[in-house]
Amino acid sequence: GQSLEQPSEVTAVEGAIVQINCTYQTSGFYGLSWYQQHDGGAPTFLSYNGLDGLEETGRFSSFLSRSDSYGYLLLQELQMKDSASYFCAVRDKGNFNKFYFGSGTKLNVKP
Amino acid sequence: EAGVAQSPRYKIIEKRQSVAFWCNPISGHATLYWYQQILGQGPKLLIQFQNNGVVDDSQLPKDRFSAERLKGVDSTLKIQPAKLEDSAVYLCASSRSGGAENTQYFGPGTRLTVL
Repeated sequence: GQSLEQPSEVTAVEGAIVQINCTYQTSGFYGLSWYQQHDGGAPTFLSYNGLDGLEETGRFSSFLSRSDSYGYLLLQELQMKDSASYFCAVRDKGNFNKFYFGSGTKLNVKP
Repeated sequence: EAGVAQSPRYKIIEKRQSVAFWCNPISGHATLYWYQQILGQGPKLLIQFQNNGVVDDSQLPKDRFSAERLKGVDSTLKIQPAKLEDSAVYLCASSRSGGAENTQYFGPGTRLTVL
């Protein structure tokens, strides 16, 4: 089976840096994705790690360590619009098009 | 490029009634997903189609849920009869088959309330 753990809620101030962690236990792992979801909105893709290391996309970066079954999403120069829920999702090794989503981390950005 | 379309956006029904949701994926996307998202939780995969064939429906409650994608394009998800615990947002997503990232594009969802 698949199990993902994320903190339920994180609070940070505008302009700061925040890290959202994701640990997973899986029977077959291929990669880790991150999605953002604003209240009442649809999840939107942020980043994907297929290999160990850091992937950078603008203010957002994502990191993966396969040996530690661990990844994180790093958000820099936080803006109010970053207030949203962030989900990590494990890509299944047996079915490359299948993802298991974590329960999400609600990020509150304060002025 | 048009996004994933879903209808209706909201639906309120009483328990034991039936309901159907419709999804039109992004043109050319072979893979279509239906997810259930209960408030405060992550999306849970119900069923995955590749073209018009089912790839994974291991978490679909088949005694009450059914889904089809007859022509490999749009899809419908049906619940019959509905239970109180089916209250959730039903998200449809699509993706190109394979690919390095397999980005999933989500529709706006249908918020179902079962009374």
